[in-house]
Amino acid sequence: DVKVTQSSRYLVKRTGEKVFLECVQDMDHENMFWYRQDPGLGLRLIYFSYDVKMKEKGDIPEGYSVSREKKERFSLILESASTNQTSMYLCASSRSYEQYFGPGTRLTVT
Amino acid sequence: QQPVQSPQAVILREGEDAVINCSSSKALYSVHWYRQKHGEAPVFLMILLKGGEQKGHDKISASFNEKKQQSSLYLTASQLSYSGTYFCGTERDPSGGGADGLTFGKGTHLIIQP
Repeated sequence: DVKVTQSSRYLVKRTGEKVFLECVQDMDHENMFWYRQDPGLGLRLIYFSYDVKMKEKGDIPEGYSVSREKKERFSLILESASTNQTSMYLCASSRSYEQYFGPGTRLTVT
Repeated sequence: QQPVQSPQAVILREGEDAVINCSSSKALYSVHWYRQKHGEAPVFLMILLKGGEQKGHDKISASFNEKKQQSSLYLTASQLSYSGTYFCGTERDPSGGGADGLTFGKGTHLIIQP
């Protein structure tokens, strides 16, 4: 059974903290993605990666960075968390067109 | 630019039909549909490709009008399990084969009542 896991379901951080969100997939997929989901805005792509050590900006990369040191793991980094980064963060992976999503991490920045 | 979905929300009785629309201001190579149930991750439903090819769910149908840059999702004889938020997505780079991620619409909330 395909599986994408994210390190935390809920996370509370303070403004200015460095935040790491981890995503692991067990399907040997080349492509991995980070989206954020906000009410009324849908899912918006932050960053994606189509290979180890490769990363590309999505539609809203400002304030974020990513790391992909191993094929199965894709990390999202908030260098200095701000309140406007309070959101649901969803990781996904794919081999071709079908994306498999993780359960999400609800991040609150206070 | 995000595709535009309509309606924003719809409430149906079990057994009724629904149509969800998705339109884009840019030329489309494909349209992807996902459903997200409350508190769960989005799940792939289907992809519609230029030229008419369609892959995915066997109980939900969809159309893709390449000239009008529109897609519609048809839910017939709706079941309680169809409740959720439906998202359409368009490929950011048609040559990427899906590797470049999707630009999603804002979603359509579908509530099916008994």
